[in-house]
Amino acid sequence: AQSVTQLDSQVPVFEEAPVELRCNYSSSVSVYLFWYVQYPNQGLQLLLKYLSGSTLVKGINGFEAEFNKSQTSFHLRKPSVHISDTAEYFCAVILTGGGNKLTFGTGTQLKVEL
Amino acid sequence: KAGVTQTPRYLIKTRGQQVTLSCSPISGHRSVSWYQQTPGQGLQFLFEYFSETQRNKGNFPGRFSGRQFSNSRSEMNVSTLELGDSALYLCASSVEDQGNIQYFGAGTRLSVL
Repeated sequence: AQSVTQLDSQVPVFEEAPVELRCNYSSSVSVYLFWYVQYPNQGLQLLLKYLSGSTLVKGINGFEAEFNKSQTSFHLRKPSVHISDTAEYFCAVILTGGGNKLTFGTGTQLKVEL
Repeated sequence: KAGVTQTPRYLIKTRGQQVTLSCSPISGHRSVSWYQQTPGQGLQFLFEYFSETQRNKGNFPGRFSGRQFSNSRSEMNVSTLELGDSALYLCASSVEDQGNIQYFGAGTRLSVL
């Protein structure tokens, strides 16, 4: 079975500073990888995805992530955060050819401070 | 295009009651999945429906059930509610293509008293 680990439950960062949210996964078969963001009292919004091809993927709101197959990682980065980036971020995987069951990490609360 | 619509947004029930939640997918999306989100267990997959058939099921008791209609709208039902069923229930829809990217609704917040 696949699993997703987000090592940091909370990440505080000052506005305009860079940030990296870490995600590692485990799976015996190939997966698709996703990052979602959740603002308070809202559903999940897709930030970016890795399906195939270039290992560096760019998403919305200036976020990007790099797929590293050897380290089974998919870390999310942003060079300069804004107050509005304060939210919870979820890394998720889905098996290729395995239907629509997303397996999520436990989430990382990003808190941007002035 | 309209996004995924979930109704109602909030629900308060008492133990032992049953509840039905509704999800209207994005137009053209035939797959609908349901997830439960709690502070303790995080985001957990409940089940997925495609073309009115349950295609995948998570590890939840039989009190949790669902169905999908011919227009792809889906409902989930929880019978004999327990306090532990209090959660945010999220619905997601997708098309059958590479990645099966799922788009989520705003969720239904269920409180069981």
